[in-house]
Amino acid sequence: RKEVEQDPGPFNVPEGATVAFNCTYSNSASQSFFWYRQDCRKEPKLLMSVYSSGNEDGRFTAQLNRASQYISLLIRDSKLSDSATYLCVVNFVSGGYNKLIFGAGTRLAVHP
Amino acid sequence: GAVVSQHPSRVICKSGTSVKIECRSLDFQATTMFWYRQFPKQSLMLMATSNEGSKATYEQGVEKDKFLINHASLTLSTLTVTSAHPEDSSFYICSAPGTAYNEQFFGPGTRLTVL
Repeated sequence: RKEVEQDPGPFNVPEGATVAFNCTYSNSASQSFFWYRQDCRKEPKLLMSVYSSGNEDGRFTAQLNRASQYISLLIRDSKLSDSATYLCVVNFVSGGYNKLIFGAGTRLAVHP
Repeated sequence: GAVVSQHPSRVICKSGTSVKIECRSLDFQATTMFWYRQFPKQSLMLMATSNEGSKATYEQGVEKDKFLINHASLTLSTLTVTSAHPEDSSFYICSAPGTAYNEQFFGPGTRLTVL
């Protein structure tokens, strides 16, 4: 079983749509959770951290359910510029280091 | 924010040759750096943790004799892919932790193509 699992998509949505991505993780010792965005052939960039209480950053809302080991990302009012791959990432300490474990990503394509 | 650079950004080499990739922290010191590999449509996979002044820590399944890591200074880590084969063709990305909890700065990546 993969440590971080995501629906690969692609999600093809029109501008203005609301889209939700889900992610599950297997290691209950995971301590921190993130959503990263990766554009084609580029490095990943941090979109937002994810907290148990849920958090919002503009059009983006992230939720974490530790009991279910489940993370979500909601994007409202999608823009063309939101087209990218969204990576679910968990962090845990191993061997004294903080390690990031990446999901394979969910691809989003927003069309006019 | 902090910047991490990688060089080269792209390299094409013949099978059997060795390729060195540099990762530099430009405006901060990094005692630890991480090396990842990403195949098309797959996730970033952590290959190894590079430690300044000591041996790198490799993830399970990563051959340390094939992927040589040297962290010679507080701002430079290098990854050498030895005797490269076409299956080593991939996107190699490094990252360095920042001072804030869970902060990570990623380099722009190096795309390696082995013919």
